[in-house]
Amino acid sequence: QKEVEQNSGPLSVPEGAIASLNCTYSDRGSQSFFWYRQYSGKSPELIMSIYSNGDKEDGRFTAQLNKASQYVSLLIRDSQPSDSATYLCAVNEGDSWGKLQFGAGTQVVVTP
Amino acid sequence: EAQVTQNPRYLITVTGKKLTVTCSQNMNHEYMSWYRQDPGLGLRQIYYSMNVEVTDKGDVPEGYKVSRKEKRNFPLILESPSPNQTSLYFCASSFGANSPLHFGNGTRLTVT
Repeated sequence: QKEVEQNSGPLSVPEGAIASLNCTYSDRGSQSFFWYRQYSGKSPELIMSIYSNGDKEDGRFTAQLNKASQYVSLLIRDSQPSDSATYLCAVNEGDSWGKLQFGAGTQVVVTP
Repeated sequence: EAQVTQNPRYLITVTGKKLTVTCSQNMNHEYMSWYRQDPGLGLRQIYYSMNVEVTDKGDVPEGYKVSRKEKRNFPLILESPSPNQTSLYFCASSFGANSPLHFGNGTRLTVT
């Protein structure tokens, strides 16, 4: 069973600080990596996709991928109360591209 | 508006009574997938479809059926629901297996 692991949290972050979320995966053949945000009772929505090693920035969000170490991270800069949500890491299976594994999610709580 | 539409949003049924959850997308996406979400377990993939008439099992397919007769529709069928299928279900679609997913609003199913 391919695995995607995240710290469940909650991760408490002061408003304006940087939130750092980590995700590790077991499948060395994985090629596609995603971060989704899910508010309570709502459906997941895409924050970031990343496919190659290094950093990818989009506004206050930065995704970092290190395939050699098999981890992908998400940084949220200048955290706002509206960032309080559960963040889901998703990784495709390298030998079965249609299969997508999700981590259990990290709950982030931004405190004013 | 580009969207994935699931129906119904809420469903309460009894053990053994066949039911269908519909999913339709208007984005001409080739890839569609069903997930269930349970507390502490995250999103688990039930079935996915790479294109019309092409479906395959995810990680938790037991007790479910799907069909993809048209590109826009991907219904989830529970022929004999059991209480352990009580869950929050999401349908999602994308241009391809390695593309970001667009999620429907979810269907909360309770089987008594």
